[in-house]
Amino acid sequence: AQSVSQHNHHVILSEAASLELGCNYSYGGTVNLFWYVQYPGQHLQLLLKYFSGDPLVKGIKGFEAEFIKSKFSFNLRKPSVQWSDTAEYFCAVTVTDKLIFGTGTRLQVFP
Amino acid sequence: DTGVSQDPRHKITKRGQNVTFRCDPISEHNRLYWYRQTLGQGPEFLTYFQNEAQLEKSRLLSDRFSAERPKGSFSTLEIQRTEQGDSAMYLCASNPGGGDNEQYFGPGTRLTVT
Repeated sequence: AQSVSQHNHHVILSEAASLELGCNYSYGGTVNLFWYVQYPGQHLQLLLKYFSGDPLVKGIKGFEAEFIKSKFSFNLRKPSVQWSDTAEYFCAVTVTDKLIFGTGTRLQVFP
Repeated sequence: DTGVSQDPRHKITKRGQNVTFRCDPISEHNRLYWYRQTLGQGPEFLTYFQNEAQLEKSRLLSDRFSAERPKGSFSTLEIQRTEQGDSAMYLCASNPGGGDNEQYFGPGTRLTVT
């Protein structure tokens, strides 16, 4: 069965630190990849997406992700986090029109 | 606000009762999805509609669950004879279809079964 793995369940950083959240998926076909974010008390919002083309995609709020097909990975990065980035981050892959999500990574950023 | 809306936002019910949730997608979005999210987990797919047709149902959707989208606009998700294990956040999402796979999520309905 298709699945998405997020290796970091809880990440704690100080402001200005760099961030990398891992995401691996298991699906051999063509995939569309997403990172969603859920800020406290808010609904899921799209951070960025990869459909095709340049494997390095840029999203909102300074986030980017790199699709590495050979590694089945789609890691999320940000060079300098802010307190306002405190949220839960979900990696997802589209399989036959539905989204398969990872278990999420809770990011806490301290001033 | 023209995003996906869900009603109610919170529902507390006693075990054995029936509950119904409503989702209004973004206008003219052909596809509508239901997901369930429990604490510490990512959303899990339940079912989705293309217009009024229900195209796929997850094995998570037991026979106590039913979803409808009668006119291809809003959708309802009904849970009969609720169990404590049904306590979760129920999320609705929509997308325009036609190859655009980005899904737009609503705020969810949090169900607590006591």
